[in-house]
Amino acid sequence: NAGVTQTPKFQVLKTGQSMTLQCAQDMNHEYMSWYRQDPGMGLRLIHYSVGAGITDQGEVPNGYNVSRSTTEDFPLRLLSAAPSQTSVYFCASRNRGLGTEAFFGQGTRLTVV
Amino acid sequence: AQSVSQHNHHVILSEAASLELGCNYSYGGTVNLFWYVQYPGQHLQLLLKYFSGDPLVKGIKGFEAEFIKSKFSFNLRKPSVQWSDTAEYFCAVNDSGGGADGLTFGKGTHLIIQP
Repeated sequence: NAGVTQTPKFQVLKTGQSMTLQCAQDMNHEYMSWYRQDPGMGLRLIHYSVGAGITDQGEVPNGYNVSRSTTEDFPLRLLSAAPSQTSVYFCASRNRGLGTEAFFGQGTRLTVV
Repeated sequence: AQSVSQHNHHVILSEAASLELGCNYSYGGTVNLFWYVQYPGQHLQLLLKYFSGDPLVKGIKGFEAEFIKSKFSFNLRKPSVQWSDTAEYFCAVNDSGGGADGLTFGKGTHLIIQP
């Protein structure tokens, strides 16, 4: 019963490097989202998708790209990592509809030095 | 745009004490409301949710919350806390249109239960 799977769990990057955080869900959910969690800031929405081929920006999209080629996968790309992107990143998925629960992955702790 | 305000950033209680965590939101329309919990080192898990019907909702582990529309509030309560309730608690909202654009979270309340 995998749910939402994120890889890697931990990552250290140097400033300017690029990388992709992976997110996969096996619940056939239409909606997927990426959040970052910072101390005292709660979770803030980076990008979201309402289905394959459709993505949109959230509250803090700068420095990140996403794509949704399949229902299952929603990778988050950091194009040129900056220390301000040091954070814990969570991917979530949920079904379309009223009051549906969002299921979260275990998170990726990213440090940019 | 929606916003969510959690009044207490840090709360320390003794075991068996009663708990109430405040949550207010700003949004003029109909909303779906959630409380999530994050235990140390773990991902977020749903405690309870409200989207229609009885404004008093019960969740897992003895938690409940009351939606008061006139006050734009959705406070979380538990009559008697346990040490295992130590965690971070997040209130979240999305609009009732389905909220495809994700959830808006409060900044969280860090709850510490002392044995």
